[in-house]
Amino acid sequence: NAGVTQTPKFQVLKTGQSMTLQCAQDMNHNSMYWYRQDPGMGLRLIYYSASEGTTDKGEVPNGYNVSRLNKREFSLRLESAAPSQTSVYFCASTALAENTEAFFGQGTRLTVV
Amino acid sequence: GENVEQHPSTLSVQEGDSAVIKCTYSDSASNYFPWYKQELGKGPQLIIDIRSNVGEKKDQRIAVTLNKTAKHFSLHITETQPEDSAVYFCAASGSGSARQLTFGSGTQLTVLP
Repeated sequence: NAGVTQTPKFQVLKTGQSMTLQCAQDMNHNSMYWYRQDPGMGLRLIYYSASEGTTDKGEVPNGYNVSRLNKREFSLRLESAAPSQTSVYFCASTALAENTEAFFGQGTRLTVV
Repeated sequence: GENVEQHPSTLSVQEGDSAVIKCTYSDSASNYFPWYKQELGKGPQLIIDIRSNVGEKKDQRIAVTLNKTAKHFSLHITETQPEDSAVYFCAASGSGSARQLTFGSGTQLTVLP
């Protein structure tokens, strides 16, 4: 039972490069999320998808785009990476959009130089 | 939007002692308050949650209390053990259309043997 799987686990980018973080869940959850975690700032929501076919901005969406490819997969794209996007990124999923347990992936540590 | 403040940022206790972490929230419409534990190199994992129609909830050595009037909630860990050492996050649901979770900034708990 894999739960939420993120790839890659580590990545180093040069400023201006692009990349896509992949996330897949096998729990048949409806809602998926992307967070970033920075020291002393907790987890901040970048984008979320309440259900297949919908996506919405979270607290810190600038510089990112997302795609809900199907019910299982939710990807996060950095079109032109900046040093300020150096962070640990977590994908999560919930069975419903509201007030239910969130299951997190293991995270992707991204460094932009 | 919702704002969640968490204190303290670091907490050291002797094994066997109790630990208390406190959070305040700003949106009186929030109705779901989960607590997550994050071990080094892993994603956060739910340890306990409480809904606004309940004042207290307990699960073995862990308890959470909620004061809706004062808009604060707390995590209590009794008889602490070294394996309790981790980062703990509180969160509160917002009042937006999808009631997304807003996280506190985290508490690094260290249990000293």
